[in-house]
Amino acid sequence: GDSVTQMEGPVTLSEEAFLTINCTYTATGYPSLFWYVQYPGEGLQLLLKATKADDKGSNKGFEATYRKETTSFHLEKGSVQVSDSAVYFCASSSGSARQLTFGSGTQLTVLP
Amino acid sequence: GAGVSQSPSNKVTEKGKDVELRCDPISGHTALYWYRQSLGQGLEFLIYFQGNSAPDKSGLPSDRFSAERTGGSVSTLTIQRTQQEDSAVYLCASSLGQATNYGYTFGSGTRLTVV
Repeated sequence: GDSVTQMEGPVTLSEEAFLTINCTYTATGYPSLFWYVQYPGEGLQLLLKATKADDKGSNKGFEATYRKETTSFHLEKGSVQVSDSAVYFCASSSGSARQLTFGSGTQLTVLP
Repeated sequence: GAGVSQSPSNKVTEKGKDVELRCDPISGHTALYWYRQSLGQGLEFLIYFQGNSAPDKSGLPSDRFSAERTGGSVSTLTIQRTQQEDSAVYLCASSLGQATNYGYTFGSGTRLTVV
């Protein structure tokens, strides 16, 4: 079945630092890929998605590119803010699966 | 409604008691999912409803867990004879169609504590 592996946290950065959170997947066929964010005390929110190879999803300064050759969907942001502190989840959904498969989440803390 | 609504937001129950968790999805969303998020863990799929089709129960961890969806809208997740390992945040999500295309909209979850 599908699986998603993302880098373990916690990740602590200073404000304006560059962020990368690695995510790799295994799936049958060509999955759609997602990043979700969970701010403290809130539910998960869709951050960005990509549905085919070489697509780049972007939102709120975050980007991730669907790399079929490396089966990766790494999340990046050029300059993080304190308000980006949250847990980030990578997820995949292949055509044969009717639900999303999530990674274990990466806790990000941004210090002022 | 505007979002996925879950109730209660917090529930403390004694070991051995039954609990019911409610999810009210976004109007018009045909797909509804339940996940469990344990401390320090990722999201564990529990059950999936799509329209009037038979639900996919493949993620339910034991026969103490059951769920129903009435009229293609509101869903109730029931846990019978609760155990301490059932303590977790239970998340409901809905989707306009296949998750592959649309992703999910999540509720804020119900934090269940079994004492």
